[in-house]
Amino acid sequence: GQNIDQPTEMTATEGAIVQINCTYQTSGFNGLFWYQQHAGEAPTFLSYNVLDGLEEKGRFSSFLSRSKGYSYLLLKELQMKDSASYLCAVSDSNYQLIWGAGTKLIIKP
Amino acid sequence: ETGVTQTPRHLVMGMTNKKSLKCEQHLGHNAMYWYKQSAKKPLELMFVYNFKEQTENNSVPSRFSPECPNSSHLFLHLHTLQPEDSALYLCASSQNLGGGTDTQYFGPGTRLTVL
Repeated sequence: GQNIDQPTEMTATEGAIVQINCTYQTSGFNGLFWYQQHAGEAPTFLSYNVLDGLEEKGRFSSFLSRSKGYSYLLLKELQMKDSASYLCAVSDSNYQLIWGAGTKLIIKP
Repeated sequence: ETGVTQTPRHLVMGMTNKKSLKCEQHLGHNAMYWYKQSAKKPLELMFVYNFKEQTENNSVPSRFSPECPNSSHLFLHLHTLQPEDSALYLCASSQNLGGGTDTQYFGPGTRLTVL
């Protein structure tokens, strides 16, 4: 079966760095997405990786290792507004998105 | 503002009611999606439409009936729902189906409660 694993919840301190991991087992791979979802709001696109390596976008970076079936989202200089759920999703061989259950990130002052 | 709107934002209905959820995208996209989001569970893809044609129906019970009159509008008709159908229903759109550039853009969702 297809499976995406990510931690259920993480806590970090304002101004610090946090890394949210995602491991996947899917039938085929056409890229991995990270979305941010604030409580009661729509998921919003953060990043897309299809090649191995690190993609940096401001305070957020996303890393992919296809051979390991592994990705992480790195958030630097954490702000209170970063408190949200972070969703990992993989596009499989049929270009259908397989979603993880999300990681709830709690930022403390 | 993501360019995808959904109405209503909240809906409470009885098991014998019939209601419809509406989604509209203002992005000029060709593909539209319905997802179900339950607490602490992955997003569940329900239906996919591409150029108004349904391309996916992921074993969704017939009490959920989608309708896509054009590429900008998507409906989800609900009838004789069960309490376990209570969830957040999200609509999304993308330029096309598949491919890394086809990022999905989501609406704010309809919070559905079935009594």
